[in-house]
Amino acid sequence: AQRVTQPEKLLSVFKGAPVELKCNYSYSGSPELFWYVQYSRQRLQLLLRHISRESIKGFTADLNKGETSFHLKKPFAQEEDSAMYYCALMDAGGTSYGKLTFGQGTILTVHP
Amino acid sequence: EAGVTQFPSHSVIEKGQTVTLRCDPISGHDNLYWYRRVMGKEIKFLLHFVKESKQDESGMPNNRFLAERTGGTYSTLKVQPAELEDSGVYFCASSPGRKARSSEGELFFGEGSRLTVL
Repeated sequence: AQRVTQPEKLLSVFKGAPVELKCNYSYSGSPELFWYVQYSRQRLQLLLRHISRESIKGFTADLNKGETSFHLKKPFAQEEDSAMYYCALMDAGGTSYGKLTFGQGTILTVHP
Repeated sequence: EAGVTQFPSHSVIEKGQTVTLRCDPISGHDNLYWYRRVMGKEIKFLLHFVKESKQDESGMPNNRFLAERTGGTYSTLKVQPAELEDSGVYFCASSPGRKARSSEGELFFGEGSRLTVL
């Protein structure tokens, strides 16, 4: 069975500090990993996906298959980054495309 | 372009009553998903429609939950009879067909319907 673990429920940093939101997964197949974000009073939205290898809003995430991790990083946090972040896994080879397994979420607070 | 819309945004009912949640996906999206977040727990998959067909309903908790997507457009999720443990936020999401590579893997979520069962 697939599982996504985000060990930190809450994470607080000061503006300008580096931030890393941890995500570990367990899955035996070919996973696709995503980070979704929910800002205050907004809907859940995609932040980035590992297959794109892109940087969005200064965030990056590298898939480490050896450590089964997909940590989200940003070198200099901004106050507008404060939000709930979800790591999610999709079975790329599964019959139900788009079926996501979510982690518990991490609330990031960036203080001024 | 309108996003995924859900109705109602919040529903408060008593145990044993029936509630029907509605989701209108983004126009043209074949895939429609229902997810649920129960208090203190992670967001969990309930089921997946491809057009009007149920592709995967492995996450439906029990037979008190019934989802439909007649005509392959909007979807409804009925809970009958509702129990206390059904309280939570029900999210609907949609995505284009699998060949739409520009948004491959991305789900577009609605704002959620909060259900409170007393």
